[in-house]
Amino acid sequence: GDSVTQMEGPVTLSEEAFLTINCTYTATGYPSLFWYVQYPGEGLQLLLKATKADDKGSNKGFEATYRKETTSFHLEKGSVQVSDSAVYFCALSSASGNTPLVFGKGTRLSVIA
Amino acid sequence: GAVVSQHPSWVICKSGTSVKIECRSLDFQATTMFWYRQFPKQSLMLMATSNEGSKATYEQGVEKDKFLINHASLTLSTLTVTSAHPEDSSFYICSARDPLSGANVLTFGAGSRLTVL
Repeated sequence: GDSVTQMEGPVTLSEEAFLTINCTYTATGYPSLFWYVQYPGEGLQLLLKATKADDKGSNKGFEATYRKETTSFHLEKGSVQVSDSAVYFCALSSASGNTPLVFGKGTRLSVIA
Repeated sequence: GAVVSQHPSWVICKSGTSVKIECRSLDFQATTMFWYRQFPKQSLMLMATSNEGSKATYEQGVEKDKFLINHASLTLSTLTVTSAHPEDSSFYICSARDPLSGANVLTFGAGSRLTVL
């Protein structure tokens, strides 16, 4: 079945450091890929998405490129801030229509000043 | 954009009681809603798919008699945790897809944290 594998955390970075959170997937067909963010005590918010190979999703300084050849969707940010501290989930949707998302286990990021 | 509202945000109940959690799509109609459960510091586990006007579809291992789902209208799905026990304590999150948003984007509610004493 479909699955998403994320790098395990927690990840602790200093402010302005470069961030990479790895995500790889297994899916049939051509899935849509997502990164969601969960701030402490809150639900999930969509951070960015990509729907086809070589698409780059971006938002709030975060980027991720859909790499079909490596089945990856790594999340990057050039300079993190304390306010970026949260849990980041990689997810995919492999079917058309109204289907649920398959999530990775999440990666907790802590940014210290 | 699409907004999904959950209520209550927090609930504490005694063991053996039942708790109802509501999930509403505020500005769109959702024929399907998804209920997830999240344990501390873990990922989201899909519990069931709620279908308006028909029975919910439960994932393997989820007790349908324990977690009653009712999708009474195109904007409301409810999850009732019946005869709750401490092991049911968790963060429950619902989600829905705005059919006009495209790209399979799911919008999530803010979650409901259940603590069973």
